[in-house]
Amino acid sequence: NAGVTQTPKFRILKIGQSMTLQCTQDMNHNYMYWYRQDPGMGLKLIYYSVGAGITDKGEVPNGYNVSRSTTEDFPLRLELAAPSQTSVYFCASSYLQDGTEAFFGQGTRLTVV
Amino acid sequence: KQEVTQIPAALSVPEGENLVLNCSFTDSAIYNLQWFRQDPGKGLTSLLLIQSSQREQTSGRLNASLDKSSGRSTLYIAASQPGDSATYLCAVPYGNNRLAFGKGNQVVVIP
Repeated sequence: NAGVTQTPKFRILKIGQSMTLQCTQDMNHNYMYWYRQDPGMGLKLIYYSVGAGITDKGEVPNGYNVSRSTTEDFPLRLELAAPSQTSVYFCASSYLQDGTEAFFGQGTRLTVV
Repeated sequence: KQEVTQIPAALSVPEGENLVLNCSFTDSAIYNLQWFRQDPGKGLTSLLLIQSSQREQTSGRLNASLDKSSGRSTLYIAASQPGDSATYLCAVPYGNNRLAFGKGNQVVVIP
């Protein structure tokens, strides 16, 4: 019963470095999401996908890229990391088109120094 | 765009009291609304999904209501326990395939 799995759990990056946050789900959900959560703020949608090969921007996509080659995997790529990308990142999946009934991963805490 | 507001932002109650957490949203053209719980340093755990046709959903000590016409949902937690201490998040759909989240109700239940 893995659900949504994110790796790594923690990461420290230097300014200008790049990395990929991994997300995989085993529930055969079509809809997958990446959110970031900053202290005192609600979750903000970065990117989402409605199925393999189809992705779209959310509220805060700048500085990030995604791909969806399979139903299971939805990696988030950070290019040229900046301190403003210090945050907790959550991946989620859902079988409902409106995004509810969402299942979340445990999060990746990223610090850019 | 969907704006979601949760009031109060934080509250502390003695054990045994009932909790009332409020969520308001601006776009009432929704089918579902979902309540989550988040423990410190953890991911979100789904508590209840309310469909607009249901108006109310119950799970154990938790009861959530939905009034689309007024753009409000309320989460009731009966007979609170220290284990209920957490942040409760309301999530409301908007546009295509998107969820808007409130900033949460941070709850502390005092033994």
